[in-house]
Amino acid sequence: EDKVVQSPLSLVVHEGDTVTLNCSYEVTNFRSLLWYKQEKKAPTFLFMLTSSGIEKKSGRLSSILDKKELSSILNITATQTGDSAIYLCAVEEYGNKLVFGAGTILRVKS
Amino acid sequence: DGGITQSPKYLFRKEGQNVTLSCEQNLNHDAMYWYRQDPGQGLRLIYYSQIVNDFQKGDIAEGYSVSREKKESFPLTVTSAQKNPTAFYLCASSLQGPNTEAFFGQGTRLTVV
Repeated sequence: EDKVVQSPLSLVVHEGDTVTLNCSYEVTNFRSLLWYKQEKKAPTFLFMLTSSGIEKKSGRLSSILDKKELSSILNITATQTGDSAIYLCAVEEYGNKLVFGAGTILRVKS
Repeated sequence: DGGITQSPKYLFRKEGQNVTLSCEQNLNHDAMYWYRQDPGQGLRLIYYSQIVNDFQKGDIAEGYSVSREKKESFPLTVTSAQKNPTAFYLCASSLQGPNTEAFFGQGTRLTVV
């Protein structure tokens, strides 16, 4: 069975801290890995990773894929209260199947 | 504006009833998905469809049914066979082909009363 596992399940940090969220996967036909942020209702897209070792960056967020280790990390530096959300990792397989992990609940305290 | 629309936002169902959740997109996307989200948890795939008149079961399809008669529409029926239907349901769509992100609707919160 295809699996996407995220860790930690939840995390509480203070503003200004740096956090690293993990995602590992076991899927049959990997195509890409995606990160989403969910604050209230609809998840919003953050990154898509297809190639190993190439960092994607957007402001204080960055992410990298390690295909050998079947994993990805999402880093958030200088965290702010607005970063509080559920961070979802998803793996796209050939045939357009998109499988999500359980998510990491991040809470940033001021 | 292009987007993906789910309705209703809130739905109450009596035990033993079937209910249908609507999902419509005008993004010209081929692929559409239904996910279920329980409190504090990630998304679990119910059904997905790559093309009109074709769909596949996800990880938790039991008690649910779908149809894909039109490209822009992918309704989900929660049947009475679904033992614990109270949850938040998200619909998504994406282009066919590799490496495309999925866009989400705003969700439907279903409560069994």
